[in-house]
Amino acid sequence: NAGVMQNPRHLVRRRGQEARLRCSPMKGHSHVYWYRQLPEEGLKFMVYLQKENIIDESGMPKERFSAEFPKEGPSILRIQQVVRGDSAAYFCASSPGDRDRGLHEQYFGPGTRLTVT
Amino acid sequence: QKEVEQNSGPLSVPEGAIASLNCTYSDRGSQSFFWYRQYSGKSPELIMSIYSNGDKEDGRFTAQLNKASQYVSLLIRDSQPSDSATYLCAVTPFPNFGNEKLTFGTGTRLTIIP
Repeated sequence: NAGVMQNPRHLVRRRGQEARLRCSPMKGHSHVYWYRQLPEEGLKFMVYLQKENIIDESGMPKERFSAEFPKEGPSILRIQQVVRGDSAAYFCASSPGDRDRGLHEQYFGPGTRLTVT
Repeated sequence: QKEVEQNSGPLSVPEGAIASLNCTYSDRGSQSFFWYRQYSGKSPELIMSIYSNGDKEDGRFTAQLNKASQYVSLLIRDSQPSDSATYLCAVTPFPNFGNEKLTFGTGTRLTIIP
């Protein structure tokens, strides 16, 4: 069973460019969470999505950041007009989302390390 | 007050000894608690989940939960050098209406000394 997949693993962007980060959840998982880990800081929740729906985006900056999880294809976290402060590791986690059966543990992908120059 | 607090360490433990990692949380209604291990430059790896008061054992790992004291711990028996990593405590909010977003502590850096 393939794990959570993220690509690219490393991404370098100049200030002002756009960054697109992709996440394919584990097979059978319908819930996707994005987290950001700034250097020397803890993991912070950004957004929670199910297929075609954003459930909670309370942790995502209101400007320049957006996320989607289309019916077909991976979830995408998009950062427009990147700034140096966006440099971080971005992790995607997926879950089956079936709490009644205790199946709501989250499994993380390898992450995308974004560097803004 | 931080929502999830952990001692940042570093915590040094001799090989073969028991490593004890602690975590406190502020949301009294939280229902789900997780321990993740993160090696430097890698992603978090789930090692334990616990939902009820008491102990839960899995191999060399034991998670302990005390909801009255808002305290969760992780014990690692027979510590190995490969256990050297940062251990992250994570908690889900209450009520969550099915939204299981995790709030993480800043992690405890554990070093096992051969």
